[in-house]
Amino acid sequence: QKEVEQNSGPLSVPEGAIASLNCTYSDRGSQSFFWYRQYSGKSPELIMFIYSNGDKEDGRFTAQLNKASQYVSLLIRDSQPSDSATYLCAVNYGGSQGNLIFGKGTKLSVKP
Amino acid sequence: DTGVSQDPRHKITKRGQNVTFRCDPISEHNRLYWYRQTLGQGPEFLTYFQNEAQLEKSRLLSDRFSAERPKGSFSTLEIQRTEQGDSAMYLCASSFLEDSPQHFGDGTRLSIL
Repeated sequence: QKEVEQNSGPLSVPEGAIASLNCTYSDRGSQSFFWYRQYSGKSPELIMFIYSNGDKEDGRFTAQLNKASQYVSLLIRDSQPSDSATYLCAVNYGGSQGNLIFGKGTKLSVKP
Repeated sequence: DTGVSQDPRHKITKRGQNVTFRCDPISEHNRLYWYRQTLGQGPEFLTYFQNEAQLEKSRLLSDRFSAERPKGSFSTLEIQRTEQGDSAMYLCASSFLEDSPQHFGDGTRLSIL
């Protein structure tokens, strides 16, 4: 069974610090990887996606992918209280499937 | 680009009633997905369409659930004879290609009394 694992948290960091969120996945055939942010009571909002090994940066966000270790992470630099949310890792296993497999999410709390 | 639109935002109904939700995807997106999310869990896949063809259904999609996308544009998800366990947020997403990022609508929150 294809699975995506995340530490549920909560992860608490002070304002201005780097928040590091981690995700592992079970199937080596995975094609593409996504990070979504979800505020309480709201729907998931796409913040990053990555397809190739290495780092991808977008503003304060960096996604890191290591396919050999089946590991993907999200770094948030200069964390702000507005970053407090649940972060969902999602994996697309490709092939005939197009659906995403989601982790349960990591709750991040940024303290002022 | 007006984003993915879902209607209604909230639905409260009695057990045993039928409900129908609508999703309008981003206009140029061929793929449309339905997910269900319960508290403390990530979204779980239900079904997806490429244009008007329903290409995959999850085991979560019991025979009480049916989805359509008749002209390859909007989609409907119907739940017949609702049960308490159907209470959840129903999310619709769309994408351009199979591995393109999926963009979610605001969801429909279903509460079964």
